[in-house]
Amino acid sequence: ETGVTQTPRHLVMGMTNKKSLKCEQHLGHNAMYWYKQSAKKPLELMFVYSLEERVENNSVPSRFSPECPNSSHLFLHLHTLQPEDSALYLCASRRDRPGNTEAFFGQGTRLTVV
Amino acid sequence: EDKVVQSPLSLVVHEGDTVTLNCSYEVTNFRSLLWYKQEKKAPTFLFMLTSSGIEKKSGRLSSILDKKELSSILNITATQTGDSAIYLCAVEGAGQNFVFGPGTRLSVLP
Repeated sequence: ETGVTQTPRHLVMGMTNKKSLKCEQHLGHNAMYWYKQSAKKPLELMFVYSLEERVENNSVPSRFSPECPNSSHLFLHLHTLQPEDSALYLCASRRDRPGNTEAFFGQGTRLTVV
Repeated sequence: EDKVVQSPLSLVVHEGDTVTLNCSYEVTNFRSLLWYKQEKKAPTFLFMLTSSGIEKKSGRLSSILDKKELSSILNITATQTGDSAIYLCAVEGAGQNFVFGPGTRLSVLP
């Protein structure tokens, strides 16, 4: 266990559904990330939040909407997804401070869009 | 654009063999290079290498950073079946994001 918890672990949703992925950490980290991992592709950064403010948005379609209500929680709201959005969605967190620190990953949510 | 390349993309060895995994990068304002092991879902942290710490070792695993060649290697000696996983290399550059390589899928046969 890395201390980063993601729920749900598996999700199947239709293209017209609205769902949310949740990530939670109580490690005292102040930066949180959403990554997408598709088959045979590198991990792709989607969003970065530092001190609860979004600092990076890698041209992610608007059907993905992140929310960071506090430094311990991160959500990814999903709306009218496409089958090609099926992937493993990983959350990570780190303590962003002078020097270098590693990121810790959650177990991921395996998303299938039907 | 920041880029991380790993080789080989897949590797099959037998228990007891030694393997060397490669990672090369092009990144603006290099801060650190990290190695992760991904077995099922969550990548688990192995090593972080920076300008002030270019060599790390933990048990049978070791890693070296070559800042001149913009590359790193991950060595695993006396491999075991439990070492079978995808090994991910990530580089942190400008900003706060990590750029990941495609990973090396290692299979260790008994």
